Amino acid sequence: DIQMTQSPSSLSASVGDRVTITCRASQGISNFLAWFQQKPGKAPKSLIYGASSLQSGVPSKFSGSGSGTDFTLTINNLQPEDSATYFCQHYQTYPFSFGPGTKVDIK
Amino acid sequence: EVQLLESGGGLVQPGGSLRLSCAASGFSFSSSSMSWVRQTPGKGLEWVSSITGSGDNTYYADSVKGRFTISRDNSKNTLYVQMNSLRAEDTAIYYCAKLTSNWGQGTLVTVSS
Repeated sequence: DIQMTQSPSSLSASVGDRVTITCRASQGISNFLAWFQQKPGKAPKSLIYGASSLQSGVPSKFSGSGSGTDFTLTINNLQPEDSATYFCQHYQTYPFSFGPGTKVDIK
Repeated sequence: EVQLLESGGGLVQPGGSLRLSCAASGFSFSSSSMSWVRQTPGKGLEWVSSITGSGDNTYYADSVKGRFTISRDNSKNTLYVQMNSLRAEDTAIYYCAKLTSNWGQGTLVTVSS
């Protein structure tokens, strides 16, 4: 089974900062990688699929990159509403799995 | 607008059964693979099961294999999961998802005596 890791587990950044979250797969998954944002008490919201394709309606301040085993999610111009936990997920083959999450706080 | 609405959660005793439903609208349900994902309060996300659009192929996490059964009724645009032999560790919020795009709001399943 493919294991997903994320770093850092949490971060604190200032309004206007650029934030980068890393996701690593235990084996190559091509570009079968999605990113989700989850706010407290809410369902996860899809941000990115195919490693770099922006989900419809998601602001362009979010971007994804990577292929194979190493991926990144970048958030530009961080705003208070971006405070959330971010998860990556592979869907290359069953069983699918999620990363443990990265909690982003605003300083 | 895509909508996924789960129902059927609740309190059940260990060893008991529960069936969750997910009513879908706003997209071509019969053409879409669908999944159940769960999240333990305060913990991470765990993929539980998926089913292809036709319903011909199903997939399960090892943790639920042999106990949970995913199914769908494309005439009713509804996804199901039958959960048997429930354990305390199955306690979680269960989400219906068109993975990588849309998720429901979730339904809480609590397994406790």
